Amino acid sequence: IAGITQAPTSQILAAGRRMTLRCTQDMRHNAMYWYRQDLGLGLRLIHYSNTAGTTGKGEVPDGYSVSRANTDDFPLTLASAVPSQTSVYFCASSTASMYNEQFFGPGTRLTVL
Amino acid sequence: KNQVEQSPQSLIILEGKNCTLQCNYTVSPFSNLRWYKQDTGRGPVSLTIMTFSENTKSNGRYTATLDADTKQSSLHITASQLSDSASYICVVSFEASGGSYIPTFGRGTSLIVHP
Repeated sequence: IAGITQAPTSQILAAGRRMTLRCTQDMRHNAMYWYRQDLGLGLRLIHYSNTAGTTGKGEVPDGYSVSRANTDDFPLTLASAVPSQTSVYFCASSTASMYNEQFFGPGTRLTVL
Repeated sequence: KNQVEQSPQSLIILEGKNCTLQCNYTVSPFSNLRWYKQDTGRGPVSLTIMTFSENTKSNGRYTATLDADTKQSSLHITASQLSDSASYICVVSFEASGGSYIPTFGRGTSLIVHP
């Protein structure tokens, strides 16, 4: 693995189903983030984690949950998907410093029908 | 409320021409400002970073400026190339409780460079 990876690349999901988006980084970054990107709205922060074992809510956390059991993995779970969660989801990681360049994964395109 | 506003929303220029993108922010307390480039279908990639004491930073044909007093930044692209076609996102981070740094994203400027 080089950098940050996400899975799946894309997914079509029926409303009401549970879905987990996976994110893994091999840069030993302390901080990790989940964003959604919708046309005309830019990137919006869903949840973040400053270090393994801690998580925080971003701008649009409702309907999503995260966990950070270790440094490398930061899965995002939709417990019961709704059509408004159709979006492109980006995971990112950074060092926990003030020069926090974020490195982004390739994104997951999720469609909820 | 922390906000980052970018203008214009979109821009079309001819190859070889220069252009300037604008970013205004109300983020506080200010930590740093980054410009990212996002190609279609890809994640954003950092171009420049500036802290409070820096007022200009260059990365090849990209030059970013920062006026911390007026809370404005610009990204100037010189001698544009077709590969510059992308979305350019201004991101301002503030220091939150617990020593974490939270980024606030602008909506981006979509740049199209025509041959």
